[in-house]
Amino acid sequence: ETGVTQSPTHLIKTRGQQVTLRCSSQSGHNTVSWYQQALGQGPQFIFQYYREEENGRGNFPPRFSGLQFPNYSSELNVNALELDDSALYLCASSWGQGRTDTQYFGPGTRLTVL
Amino acid sequence: AQKITQTQPGMFVQEKEAVTLDCTYDTSDPSYGLFWYKQPSSGEMIFLIYQGSYDQQNATEGRYSLNFQKARKSANLVISASQLGDSAMYFCAMREGNTGTASKLTFGTGTRLQVTL
Repeated sequence: ETGVTQSPTHLIKTRGQQVTLRCSSQSGHNTVSWYQQALGQGPQFIFQYYREEENGRGNFPPRFSGLQFPNYSSELNVNALELDDSALYLCASSWGQGRTDTQYFGPGTRLTVL
Repeated sequence: AQKITQTQPGMFVQEKEAVTLDCTYDTSDPSYGLFWYKQPSSGEMIFLIYQGSYDQQNATEGRYSLNFQKARKSANLVISASQLGDSAMYFCAMREGNTGTASKLTFGTGTRLQVTL
């Protein structure tokens, strides 16, 4: 069984640029969530996709957007990058979207904005 | 108010000893899930253990056990027989919400555990 994978592992961008991060869910999982983890903090929820539809969003501006594909892989897009967007971005997949469904995380993408 | 509180920024434990990492939570939802994750320096968040709010018994997974005290709203992680490889950041997290709706994980600030010889 393949776990959650993310690409790229590291990325350096400049302010104002756009970035796309990718996530491949664990086999059989239909729900994917994205989190932002700033240095020294716990992860913060960005949004969640269930069967290709966004069904929950945290306190992030619209320039953070996403997609989930029929094979349940996912993308996180960030437009107009700001310095504060520098963080570890974690993708997590689960069997479902309920409170008892364990989320399994990928290794993360470390984004640096200069 | 903080939903998840981890009051120990750092902990030290000797190899082979047991250690307890504290976690308190705040919710008015009667149905919720509590999770512990381990994050090594590589960054990946590794699932350790889960406790449901309606579970009657404390969860156990190998060397990990969760001391769940519902009335006190605490969900402490106990690691028995610590190993050098247990050195990492540990996060407590809660998932609220009804089945069928999005239910995000809310994380605490974490506890850094260092296992010494």
